[in-house]
Amino acid sequence: GNSVTQMEGPVTLSEEAFLTINCTYTATGYPSLFWYVQYPGEGLQLLLKATKADDKGSNKGFEATYRKETTSFHLEKGSVQVSDSAVYFCALIKAGNMLTFGGGTRLMVKP
Amino acid sequence: NAGVTQTPKFQVLKTGQSMTLQCAQDMNHEYMSWYRQDPGMGLRLIHYSVGAGITDQGEVPNGYNVSRSTTEDFPLRLLSAAPSQTSVYFCASSYSGGTGNTIYFGEGSWLTVV
Repeated sequence: GNSVTQMEGPVTLSEEAFLTINCTYTATGYPSLFWYVQYPGEGLQLLLKATKADDKGSNKGFEATYRKETTSFHLEKGSVQVSDSAVYFCALIKAGNMLTFGGGTRLMVKP
Repeated sequence: NAGVTQTPKFQVLKTGQSMTLQCAQDMNHEYMSWYRQDPGMGLRLIHYSVGAGITDQGEVPNGYNVSRSTTEDFPLRLLSAAPSQTSVYFCASSYSGGTGNTIYFGEGSWLTVV
């Protein structure tokens, strides 16, 4: 079946540091890949997505590239801010618009 | 545009009680689903529906019932609450067709079973 594996957190960074959150997946065929963000006390928001190999999703300074050869979709940001502190979820859809999520990675950014 | 609306936002139940989590969307989406979120496990699919009158089980359906009598509403029923059902519940909806459609989430319902 489908599965998503994320690096465990928490990830603690200083403001303006470079961020990488690793995500790898297992699925047959060509799933669509997503990153969702959950701010404290809130629901999930779509951060970015990619629907085919080599696509790059980007939003709010975050980027992730769909790598079919390594089955990865790592999230990166060049300079994090305190306001980026949240839980980040990697997810995939294979069919039926039902998501398979990774376990989530908590990011804490210190001033 | 209200999007996906969940109620209640917080609820405390005693073991054995029943309750219904409500979910409504005003986007005329065909697909609706319920997830539960537990620490370190991400979100797991409980039940889903691909249209009015059609429901199916997800990864963790035991202890939950759903129905889809209208396009707009997709309530989740806990038949006899157990402490293991303490979790945060999210309802989601989307248009059908393809795998790139944006999925919209409600703000979550925090449930504690004591």
